[in-house]
Amino acid sequence: GAGVSQTPSNKVTEKGKYVELRCDPISGHTALYWYRQSLGQGPEFLIYFQGTGAADDSGLPNDRFFAVRPEGSVSTLKIQRTERGDSAVYLCASSLTGSRDTQYFGPGTRLTVL
Amino acid sequence: GQQLNQSPQSMFIQEGEDVSMNCTSSSIFNTWLWYKQDPGEGPVLLIALYKAGELTSNGRLTAQFGITRKDSFLNISASIPSDVGIYFCAGLYNNNDMRFGAGTRLTVKP
Repeated sequence: GAGVSQTPSNKVTEKGKYVELRCDPISGHTALYWYRQSLGQGPEFLIYFQGTGAADDSGLPNDRFFAVRPEGSVSTLKIQRTERGDSAVYLCASSLTGSRDTQYFGPGTRLTVL
Repeated sequence: GQQLNQSPQSMFIQEGEDVSMNCTSSSIFNTWLWYKQDPGEGPVLLIALYKAGELTSNGRLTAQFGITRKDSFLNISASIPSDVGIYFCAGLYNNNDMRFGAGTRLTVKP
């Protein structure tokens, strides 16, 4: 498809486990963003990539969270030693130029930590 | 980070009625954005506002950028069943700092 895709759509894991969430941005989009959306809340910014580099990672809550984009396209959000409070929908978005007002969101990955 | 104050939290209206929701902040923004999110989907941009006082329409939707740059509202006229969803405001400052409201959940009864 032509939109942002995210896999898996749902992920259930146990406390303490490691998870990886994948984002495929729109082809040609240089900017990629990760957000976390808790139940009943709006998205909260986590990290922003311009190309392969993390231009802004100020939203990552702690060092258990890490993201990569090695070839400037697909990105993986990695969460170590998951906690129940990590349960949320993780949204990915991409934009052609890096302007946040023109970002397109994917459908999200719903993470549940038991 | 601190989110914007969006109200109301939820609305239950009859098809054909008009809807109004708003967003306020203690900080100023350069850009105000309004999104709609359907279940299992990501937010979709409805309207973008770039100038204080700006009033912009997109079909039955109208949004305004407050003069103080600390607030915005969204109106939906003559609501229809497919308007059901969660509406989010977002404020953006210098393309660096983007904050979302907690959303307004709209239910439209036919």
